[in-house]
Amino acid sequence: AQSVAQPEDQVNVAEGNPLTVKCTYSVSGNPYLFWYVQYPNRGLQFLLKYITGDNLVKGSYGFEAEFNKSQTSFHLKKPSALVSDSALYFCAVMRDSGYALNFGKGTSLLVTP
Amino acid sequence: DTGVSQNPRHKITKRGQNVTFRCDPISEHNRLYWYRQTLGQGPEFLTYFQNEAQLEKSRLLSDRFSAERPKGSFSTLEIQRTEQGDSAMYLCASSPTSVDIQYFGAGTRLSVL
Repeated sequence: AQSVAQPEDQVNVAEGNPLTVKCTYSVSGNPYLFWYVQYPNRGLQFLLKYITGDNLVKGSYGFEAEFNKSQTSFHLKKPSALVSDSALYFCAVMRDSGYALNFGKGTSLLVTP
Repeated sequence: DTGVSQNPRHKITKRGQNVTFRCDPISEHNRLYWYRQTLGQGPEFLTYFQNEAQLEKSRLLSDRFSAERPKGSFSTLEIQRTEQGDSAMYLCASSPTSVDIQYFGAGTRLSVL
């Protein structure tokens, strides 16, 4: 079964510092990986995806993610964090049938001024 | 607004009552997904439609749950004889094709008293 794991419940970063939110995956076959962000009482907003191609994927709001096959990881990164980046971040993998998403439990990102 | 629309945004009901939620996907998106999200967890897949056909249902979708997508447009999710354990955020998403970005609505928050 396709699954992802987010090992950190919370990540704290000072504004202006680089941030990393970790995600590892377990799949059979080729992984289709996604990152979404959720603000309070809102739905999920798409950030970026990896289907095939370059291992470094650039997405919305200055975020990027690196697909690492040997480490089965797909960490979300941003060079300089903003207070407004504070939110809940979800990594997801597309199921191998039906194409629904299996989500991780989420990582709460707190960026302090 | 051309995004995914969900109504109502909030629903409070008493245990044992029936509730129905509606999702209007992005126009011309032929795939529609329902997810459920409980506090502190990532969204969990419930069911999905391709056009009007319901192609997969999760084991989370008990017999009390039913979903429809008449004419391949909007979708409804009905929960009969609600239980307190049904309290959650119900999210709807749509996508134009199978391996593609899923766009989420803001969700319907259900509270069963």
